[in-house]
Formats: sequence, structure tokens, C-alpha cells
Amino acid sequence: AQSVTQPDIHITVSEGASLELRCNYSYGATPYLFWYVQSPGQGLQLLLKYFSGDTLVQGIKGFEAEFKRSQSSFNLRKPSVHWSDAAEYFCAVGAQNSGNTPLVFGKGTRLSVIA
Amino acid sequence: GAVVSQHPSRVICKSGTSVKIECRSLDFQATTMFWYRQFPKQSLMLMATSNEGSKATYEQGVEKDKFLINHASLTLSTLTVTSAHPEDSSFYICSASGQGISRDEQFFGPGTRLTVL
Repeated sequence: AQSVTQPDIHITVSEGASLELRCNYSYGATPYLFWYVQSPGQGLQLLLKYFSGDTLVQGIKGFEAEFKRSQSSFNLRKPSVHWSDAAEYFCAVGAQNSGNTPLVFGKGTRLSVIA
Repeated sequence: GAVVSQHPSRVICKSGTSVKIECRSLDFQATTMFWYRQFPKQSLMLMATSNEGSKATYEQGVEKDKFLINHASLTLSTLTVTSAHPEDSSFYICSASGQGISRDEQFFGPGTRLTVL
């Protein structure tokens, strides 16, 4: 069965510091991987996605993620965090043709940013 | 890009009443829509998948008679919570995919906050 693990429930970083949010997945075939961000009371915003090709994916807001098949990981990174990045981050996995199949989400990592 | 809207964004209702939530694809035809539920500080859990013109497929543990899903057109799906109870209070999010957009991605609505008193 498909599953996504985000080991860190809550992370606090200082503004300007680098960030890495971990995501591990379990999936029987080649996964389609997504990172979403959710501000309190808001919907989901897609940060980036990986379908195939270059394993280092660039997203919006300065985020990037690297797909590592050998580690079943898709960690999200940002070199310098801004206070506005404080939010909940969800990693998700889907099948090829993910538009027609539901995504499986991790439990999320809450990011707090301190001055 | 593909835009999905939800209405209402927030609703408060009394226990025992029914509430309808609409999910619309604004600039594409949504052949498939998904309904997710998110409890406070939890992840999104799939409730059901609906394909236009077909009956929705519900996930295990989701009562189809309580959560009525209708996907009668290519731009609209509705979720009706019947005889709502306080434990149904949650954040309901829809997503959609379909014709004319990436087949590998679904697009999420902004969510509806339901509070049952």
C-alpha cells in the first residue's frame, strides 16, 4: 500500500537559516511526488512536483526537492527561510496519471520561523 | 492555470441539519473530483472519488448515506453532509482533474470549514 512518512511533526528554524523537511514514501511503482504548503485555515498550494527526469526539482518560493529512489525520499529544502514560510507542509505521493487517482498525504510538518 | 473554487468557505450549522458544499472547476472540465477531509492538525484523508456522471466511490469507513456526493456536470461536484453532528466539524477540501490540463496533477480548492454546533 502507498504511504508517506514525514518524520518531523514540528520544526523551528531561525529566519535566514536553511531548511530541510523530510519525506519518505512507500510505493510499488514509480511514484509521482508532490509538496504542498498550507497556511492556517487555507487550502493547499503546490510548491513543486516530481514526475520523471531530473531528480532535483525546483519549485516556487525558492523551494527545491530531491528525489532519491534508493532512499525512497523526496526531501524539501530551502537555503534561506523567510518568516512568511511559516506554515504546514505536506508531502504526497500519487500514481502515474495522478489526475485520476487520489493522492496519499503525509501527516504534515509544521514549520515555525523565529527571528 | 487550473482554478478550483469551493463554496461556502465557512459554514456553521446546527446539529441535525444538512449542509451542501460546492466544488467548481472554473476554467477546465473536471472529469474526476476528489473530496478530502482534514481534522485539526491532521493530514488530508480521502473521503471519496467522483467521476462525472457516475456514482462516487467512497473510502472505507466513510458513510455514503451521510456524505452525499453528486458530480452531475463537468464543472460542479457537491458534497452534502446530511444530519450533521459536531464530530463532522472539519475542513473539507476538494480537488479536480480533467480535460485540457495536466493529466498527472489534480488541483485543489481552497477548502470549506464546517462547524456543527
